[in-house]
Amino acid sequence: DQQVKQNSPSLSVQEGRISILNCDYTNSMFDYFLWYKKYPAEGPTFLISISSIKDKNEDGRFTVFLNKSAKHLSLHIVPSQPGDSAVYFCAAPRGTYKYIFGTGTRLKVLA
Amino acid sequence: DTEVTQTPKHLVMGMTNKKSLKCEQHMGHRAMYWYKQKAKKPPELMFVYSYEKLSINESVPSRFSPECPNSSLLNLHLHALQPEDSALYLCASSQEGGRGTQYFGPGTRLTVL
Repeated sequence: DQQVKQNSPSLSVQEGRISILNCDYTNSMFDYFLWYKKYPAEGPTFLISISSIKDKNEDGRFTVFLNKSAKHLSLHIVPSQPGDSAVYFCAAPRGTYKYIFGTGTRLKVLA
Repeated sequence: DTEVTQTPKHLVMGMTNKKSLKCEQHMGHRAMYWYKQKAKKPPELMFVYSYEKLSINESVPSRFSPECPNSSLLNLHLHALQPEDSALYLCASSQEGGRGTQYFGPGTRLTVL
């Protein structure tokens, strides 16, 4: 049972435009979400998080939106840069210590 | 500083070899993790240490043996691995469990011949 889903395995965006990465979840008990960015052969890098008491969190070019009624979150990157090309994972803590990761979306930003 | 370091970066070993992966963090985090990641898959949790004690073992085969010598160090001892164990092995740490953001190291790319 995939409790955190990223239905788009890949996304291509022109440099300077907005990238929108989506994540859906099924467990309404999740109350905190994180986004990680991963380059090939490197460990995931923490990007941004959001608590369920908020519907938006912003950090520079990165904004995460949470729609609790739809059990949906999205990561917006504006403007997109070639260095943003990576795999993006959303994750939700489940219990103590465990994260449920989505399957990832590969973003390619075209120069 | 949110740095987790891992050595070696790459490791090639035969099925009869014994090797160890090392992880270090100096952020004062009290939870440390081992993950395994296969290509095009999300990280898969293997072990969690909390306050230097093993808290979670996700039914990992005994050919993987974790060790936490102190609050900054985490080792993963490898013995009699199989080719299907080839993967990227990631270490992570967090201030606390649950909501504590996990910070990952760069990983060790392991190849078992």
